[in-house]
Amino acid sequence: NAGVTQTPKFQVLKTGQSMTLQCAQDMNHEYMSWYRQDPGMGLRLIHYSVGAGITDQGEVPNGYNVSRSTTEDFPLRLLSAAPSQTSVYFCASKPGQLNTGELFFGEGSRLTVL
Amino acid sequence: AQSVTQPDIHITVSEGASLELRCNYSYGATPYLFWYVQSPGQGLQLLLKYFSGDTLVQGIKGFEAEFKRSQSSFNLRKPSVHWSDAAEYFCAVGAPAAGNKLTFGGGTRVLVKP
Repeated sequence: NAGVTQTPKFQVLKTGQSMTLQCAQDMNHEYMSWYRQDPGMGLRLIHYSVGAGITDQGEVPNGYNVSRSTTEDFPLRLLSAAPSQTSVYFCASKPGQLNTGELFFGEGSRLTVL
Repeated sequence: AQSVTQPDIHITVSEGASLELRCNYSYGATPYLFWYVQSPGQGLQLLLKYFSGDTLVQGIKGFEAEFKRSQSSFNLRKPSVHWSDAAEYFCAVGAPAAGNKLTFGGGTRVLVKP
């Protein structure tokens, strides 16, 4: 079972460059989300989606865009990278917005912005 | 909005000793509570969760947690730690009134001495 797959696992960018972090899940989950993890701050929600065509902002959305054209995919776009976006990014999914089940996490994407 | 505090950033414990990790939350009603574990270089794995009912919940890998409403706490415990328990542990709260978006604490890193 693939579960939640994130690519790339590592990326180095220069300030101002753009890139997309890919996230795909094969569990037919309605709910998908992106978190960033920074030392001492736990995981902070960037954006989330409760289904195809529906996205919403989380706690720290500035500098990031998302879209959800299919149930399986939820890419995270950085349009103009900044050093403050150096972080580890996690994609996570679960069956539905109101489902109280666990979030399933990908293995993370480590991004460094120089 | 809900919030989670994990007061201990690092804990060192000897193998075979007991472990308790503290978690305090802030939320106006009964939240959904979770503990996740993150091994180095990995995503997060659910250890246990509390929604309602018995306030002592059992999880995987021999962990348990107790929900104490009067103290707004959800502390994680293990009677005898194994070297493989060295990891970072995150407490999270889900707010039923807010679509069950999870808010994470800052994490506690556990080191296990032989």
